[in-house]
Amino acid sequence: KAGVTQTPRYLIKTRGQQVTLSCSPISGHRSVSWYQQTPGQGLQFLFEYFSETQRNKGNFPGRFSGRQFSNSRSEMNVSTLELGDSALYLCASSLSGLGEDTQYFGPGTRLTVL
Amino acid sequence: GQNIDQPTEMTATEGAIVQINCTYQTSGFNGLFWYQQHAGEAPTFLSYNVLDGLEEKGRFSSFLSRSKGYSYLLLKELQMKDSASYLCAVRDGTGFQKLVFGTGTRLLVSP
Repeated sequence: KAGVTQTPRYLIKTRGQQVTLSCSPISGHRSVSWYQQTPGQGLQFLFEYFSETQRNKGNFPGRFSGRQFSNSRSEMNVSTLELGDSALYLCASSLSGLGEDTQYFGPGTRLTVL
Repeated sequence: GQNIDQPTEMTATEGAIVQINCTYQTSGFNGLFWYQQHAGEAPTFLSYNVLDGLEEKGRFSSFLSRSKGYSYLLLKELQMKDSASYLCAVRDGTGFQKLVFGTGTRLLVSP
């Protein structure tokens, strides 16, 4: 069974631009969560989607948005990029997002904002 | 508020035993996870605790005390490949997949 895939793996953007990251969950998984990882803050929760609905949201500004498609693939968008948005963006999928359901992480997208 | 504390860095010797502690204060609790993350790679799942006590899985064990807001990950018979960051994460009270992570403990195993 293929794991979680994320594209692109690396991105370089400049301040003010916008970016879209993509995540394909493990086949059969319907819950997709997004995290931002930085050296100082660790992993911080962005949002979680289940059946095309955002079920949970972290404490990030509205510049960060996401969506999920009917095949469970998910995208996240960051508009008006700032230097501080440079980070590793990880997505994780799980079957239902309930109980002891385990999250499986993708390899991440390394975003650098210049 | 949500707060999860772990030591920043630990060192140990190959073949030894190391215990990585995690204390948490979260608004609600629905389980605690441990993940391993090698440099430049994705976190991989190690263990899950929702009830008090010890869960053993090969060389790795994880313990939870909900009344104390405390967990530890025990690694036995350390190997060089265990050099990695270990992330403690708590699922908050909503019951969905909102995991609150600590900043991680970087473990360095030396020969």
